[in-house]
Amino acid sequence: EAGVAQSPRYKIIEKRQSVAFWCNPISGHATLYWYQQILGQGPKLLIQFQNNGVVDDSQLPKDRFSAERLKGVDSTLKIQPAKLEDSAVYLCASSATGRSTDTQYFGPGTRLTVL
Amino acid sequence: TQLLEQSPQFLSIQEGENLTVYCNSSSVFSSLQWYRQEPGEGPVLLVTVVTGGEVKKLKRLTFQFGDARKDSSLHITAAQPGDTGLYLCAGARETSYDKVIFGPGTSLSVIP
Repeated sequence: EAGVAQSPRYKIIEKRQSVAFWCNPISGHATLYWYQQILGQGPKLLIQFQNNGVVDDSQLPKDRFSAERLKGVDSTLKIQPAKLEDSAVYLCASSATGRSTDTQYFGPGTRLTVL
Repeated sequence: TQLLEQSPQFLSIQEGENLTVYCNSSSVFSSLQWYRQEPGEGPVLLVTVVTGGEVKKLKRLTFQFGDARKDSSLHITAAQPGDTGLYLCAGARETSYDKVIFGPGTSLSVIP
């Protein structure tokens, strides 16, 4: 079974530029998560999709971050414009149903550096 | 304020030693999970516990969920270099059904 795919693996941009990340979850998984993980910290949930609907985006900085999950499969996360404090690893995960006891399967992440 | 606290933050031990890491909260959790994250990779699930007082063993790893479901521990026996990584606890509070939050993690380094 293929795992969660993310691209790119690394991205370096200057502040005020825009950037987009892509995630392809495990086939058949209803729930998709985007997390931000700052060095030395645990993952922080940015947005959770159930199929193509948003379940939780309470911690998404909506003035600069946006995300979509077209057709309930792939997802993109965009930052526009980027700030220095956005430097982090952006992790995508998927789970079968979104229950708290489900296994979340994580991709390898995209490491973003904002200069 | 972290809803889930983990201790210690960093731990460096010699191969063969035993260790315990802790995950604590003032809130009651309906379920709790432990993940391990290696450098450059995403977290991988180790275990899920749902019942207060529950103990689960996975080879040299023993996981315990506190009786009051506010805390958990992970004990590793005879640590090996392959155990090196960031250990994250994650849980869903009873009042926030299915909303999983992660703790800050314990970074473990096992020296050969």
